[in-house]
Formats: sequence, C-alpha cells, structure tokens
Amino acid sequence: QVQLVQSGAEVKKPGSSVKVSCKASGGTFSSYAINWVRQAPGQGLEWMGGIIPIFGTPNYAQRFQGRVTITADESTSTAYMELSSLRSEDTAVYYCANGYCSTTTCRNWFDPWGQGTLVTVSS
Amino acid sequence: EIVMTQSPATLSVSPGERATLSCRASQSVSSNLAWYQQKPGQAPRLLIYGASTRATGIPARFSGSGSGTDFTLTISSLQSEDFAVYYCHQYNNWPPWTFGQGTKVEIK
Repeated sequence: QVQLVQSGAEVKKPGSSVKVSCKASGGTFSSYAINWVRQAPGQGLEWMGGIIPIFGTPNYAQRFQGRVTITADESTSTAYMELSSLRSEDTAVYYCANGYCSTTTCRNWFDPWGQGTLVTVSS
Repeated sequence: EIVMTQSPATLSVSPGERATLSCRASQSVSSNLAWYQQKPGQAPRLLIYGASTRATGIPARFSGSGSGTDFTLTISSLQSEDFAVYYCHQYNNWPPWTFGQGTKVEIK
C-alpha cells in the first residue's frame, strides 16, 4: 500500500521560495508518477506539474512555468516541489498525489494523496 | 487546455436520496476521467477512475458513467458520510491535467 507523507507547514515572505517534500513508501518509487496539486483557501484543485522518476523529466502547467521546479530523489523515495517568487496568491495547501507508470503504460488518476502542506505567504 | 465544468455547484439532498453530479469536458477525454471526494480539512480521495471503475474500498452506492465529453457521478442513497465536495479530473490530455471546479453535496 503506497503512502505519501509530506513536510510540515511553512510561512514565507513574498518574493521568497518554498520547497515541499513528499516521501513515498510501500511501493517501487521508480514506478510512481508524482504530481503536485494545490488548493487555495475555499477554492478547487489545480494541477501544477508532475514527474515520473523512470523517465526523469518533469512536466509543468504553463501558468507555473519558470516558477516551479519538481524533482525526485530515488535514493530516498522523495519528491520535491519548489515554488519561487512567492506572492500572497500562492497561499494554499499543496498536495502530492501518486499515479503509476511503467515503461509501457501509465495510470494517471491520483491515488493516494499526501496529507497536504499549508504554505502561507505573508509579509 | 481541456476545461472541465461541473454542475451544479451545490446540490442539496436529503439522506437516503439519490444524488446525480455532472461533469462536462470542453473536448473529448475518452474514458480518462476520475472522480474524487474531499471532506473539510482532508486530502481528496479517489472514488472512480476510467469513468466507471470504482477504486478499492469504495462502496457500491457510488457509480460513474459517461465517455467523451459528458460524465455523471451517481450516489444511489446518500449516507451522512457522503456530504462533501466532489471533483472530476481528466487525464486524457496533458499538460495540464485539469479538474472541475467541484460540486458541494450538502444536507437538505
């Protein structure tokens, strides 16, 4: 049973960066497809980007291009999402969520999800 | 980018009644559609993938249907624990994967 455990809440100043981690257990990390989804207060879900460790190259939503960096460390089964140039509108809960990929096929629905990390951007 | 539109925004239903939630895609997503349930303060939980396949452990009162651009999530007899927000998610075309804006199912 795959489990995703995220790092704790963060409070950041505008213009700074935040790096959130997502540690996976219970499966084969190279078969994961780790996605990052955020949810602003009272709002819906927004996909930011994802990475498939066996392929290595991340994909990002256009609106976050240039500000977000998603990486994966297979040695620790941990994925990271770093968001830079933070502004107040980036205040949100950030989730990692798992898909599954082999070399021939991917399952791109998200299950399970991490518990979420609240990032607050405030001066 | 594929836009997912859910309706209604809020659905008021009495316990034991049926709830029908809709999700429409701006272009065909085939059957690459998932549904999630989210309760306050919790992460979303997968209910349905492939438009109609229940995830592990999901009760049979949840069912999904549709293909192409029009999808439905039906909860046959609402239980108290089913009052939540429901999101659809297309995973046919990326980037980006996209979600609907959610339907809140509340107690009537």
